[in-house]
Amino acid sequence: GGIITQTPKFLIGQEGQKLTLKCQQNFNHDTMYWYRQDSGKGLRLIYYSITENDLQKGDLSEGYDASREKKSSFSLTVTSAQKNEMAVFLCASTRHISNERLFFGHGTKLSVL
Amino acid sequence: GQGVEQPAKLMSVEGTFARVNCTYSTSGFNGLSWYQQREGQAPVFLSYVVLDGLKDSGHFSTFLSRSNGYSYLLLTELQIKDSASYLCAVRDLYGSSGNKLIFGIGTLLSVKP
Repeated sequence: GGIITQTPKFLIGQEGQKLTLKCQQNFNHDTMYWYRQDSGKGLRLIYYSITENDLQKGDLSEGYDASREKKSSFSLTVTSAQKNEMAVFLCASTRHISNERLFFGHGTKLSVL
Repeated sequence: GQGVEQPAKLMSVEGTFARVNCTYSTSGFNGLSWYQQREGQAPVFLSYVVLDGLKDSGHFSTFLSRSNGYSYLLLTELQIKDSASYLCAVRDLYGSSGNKLIFGIGTLLSVKP
């Protein structure tokens, strides 16, 4: 088995601040994703990476940057935190882009003061 | 428009059953997945269906009707620990998001004693 680890678990930021969320997986999966989860909305794709050194924008990429530093790690940066923003950011991975089974991390809960 | 619809909440009684419905509208279809997400936890993959009919996996069964854009997840012999949010996700082959998953909002199932 394997595990996806997201850090930090909770993140409190100030308006306008640049914030970085990290994700590590030891499945040796090719593809990694960042999703945003808001109450009353489905998971929305921010960025994904088909394989190491690849980066693709999702539907919600504006206001975010991402980096696939190596096969096992995928980081997400909130470029300028919005006041009163509150959401959970979920990282996920799959063996290949065509594989249906996503493995998720426990999430990073962001609160912006 | 394109999307995945689920009821927000569902209640049932321990020892009985619960049916979580999902309807979808996509420009192409390449399978539907179900995930379970407990409060504060990572979504966990339950099932993937791409052919019409009922797929029995014991405690969880899934049904798909592609002509009606409809699926349900059936939980039998409910236990209190089945209380969770159940997410439906459809892979839209030709949508604006490309061949990626579209998630519903999730149905929060409450199982009462």
